[in-house]
Amino acid sequence: QVTLRESGPALVKPTQTLTLTCSFSGFSLSTTGMCVTWVRQPPGKALEWLAVIDWDDDKYYSTSLRTRLTISKDTSKNQVVLTITNMDPVDTATYYCARVYRFGAIDYWGQGTLVTVPS
Amino acid sequence: QPVLTQPPSSSASPGESARLTCTLPSNINVGSYNIYWYQQKPGSPPKYLLFYYSDSDKGLGSGVPSRFSGSKDASANTGILLISGLQSEDEADYYCMVWPSNAPVFGGGTKLTVL
Repeated sequence: QVTLRESGPALVKPTQTLTLTCSFSGFSLSTTGMCVTWVRQPPGKALEWLAVIDWDDDKYYSTSLRTRLTISKDTSKNQVVLTITNMDPVDTATYYCARVYRFGAIDYWGQGTLVTVPS
Repeated sequence: QPVLTQPPSSSASPGESARLTCTLPSNINVGSYNIYWYQQKPGSPPKYLLFYYSDSDKGLGSGVPSRFSGSKDASANTGILLISGLQSEDEADYYCMVWPSNAPVFGGGTKLTVL
């Protein structure tokens, strides 16, 4: 059974760095083709893709947020970490981590974690 | 601004069919990519529904009923999600997605109301 769970602070001040951890089970990021991705969704708005890391430790980022994002993995712990620097109120969103196979379907999603950046 | 264009809303009655569209920008040829569809209900994460490339290359997500299907309209550079035999539980937001590179792009979502 594949499960993912996001963890991190619910409240982050402007200019601070957000660190989110995705803990997963039911698959291994050392398996060829496996990837973990981060997607966010501001309240009442659409999904926005952020970053993906693959089994070979290749990393890809949203063009618009590239300079602020870092994704990394700890295969032994079954965890993926996303950091976002210089947080702003517009970054207020629910952040989801999810599994991707061979850059195809994002087939399993975590429940998401709401991060608020007050103005 | 989402890269893929979806109508903000759509509605249909129970038992009818709903046809949701996802228009790709001109620099992304719908014929060259899988179109992925997701359903999201309030307070829940997106749920993977299906992908569609062609009639011979498509697939439903785990547990997704066959009432959900995909297609393409190449002339309009558009992906289509068809939901037949609408049920009240199908009321949700629907998002399309494409991987034109190693970075996926989403549509802005369509809110489907089952009247």
